[in-house]
Amino acid sequence: EAEVAQSPRYKITEKSQAVAFWCDPISGHATLYWYRQILGQGPELLVQFQDESVVDDSQLPKDRFSAERLKGVDSTLKIQPAELGDSAMYLCASSLFDVAYEQYFGPGTRLTVT
Amino acid sequence: ILNVEQSPQSLHVQEGDSTNFTCSFPSSNFYALHWYRWETAKSPEALFVMTLNGDEKKKGRISATLNTKEGYSYLYIKGSQPEDSATYLCAFKGGSQGNLIFGKGTKLSVKP
Repeated sequence: EAEVAQSPRYKITEKSQAVAFWCDPISGHATLYWYRQILGQGPELLVQFQDESVVDDSQLPKDRFSAERLKGVDSTLKIQPAELGDSAMYLCASSLFDVAYEQYFGPGTRLTVT
Repeated sequence: ILNVEQSPQSLHVQEGDSTNFTCSFPSSNFYALHWYRWETAKSPEALFVMTLNGDEKKKGRISATLNTKEGYSYLYIKGSQPEDSATYLCAFKGGSQGNLIFGKGTKLSVKP
């Protein structure tokens, strides 16, 4: 069964360092999402791609976060510099079409900033 | 600011008990309501996507209902099993251009 792949699964970094997460969606899924889930909260959308184009990045802290999906397939989310408040689970998801359709999630990257 | 509320926050039941959770969402500009199950150390898994008022969906022992006019959805689990232990998330989409707004989830623990 096709799955969304994410790496790394866990990342510990010091504040002010740069960190990057990678996501490979299910083949053929045009829409890709990055979510952040802070402990005790629901996932919050950071950025949504349709193919290689950003559809929504209104909640992405653009002074330190960046995301790209250059060939419309896999995607990278970067944080530079990391801050203590960035400690969270970062989830990637993909869907065949838009957000009206079920989303398939990866296992997430647990980030701890010390 | 759109608000999606889930209750209860956590639930402990015995194996064989039936249980239900609530998801409350804005009753205006409804587009879709999603339910996901998230087991510890695994990926969130889609259970249902519901789009029509009065929708009822079922997958095995799990079912869900939707009332868009009053802004709530119920998730039912019949005869809970230990493998049902997970966090159940609902997510609301308002309008064709809106994104999914997730609730905080209901954490279910089923004791053998």
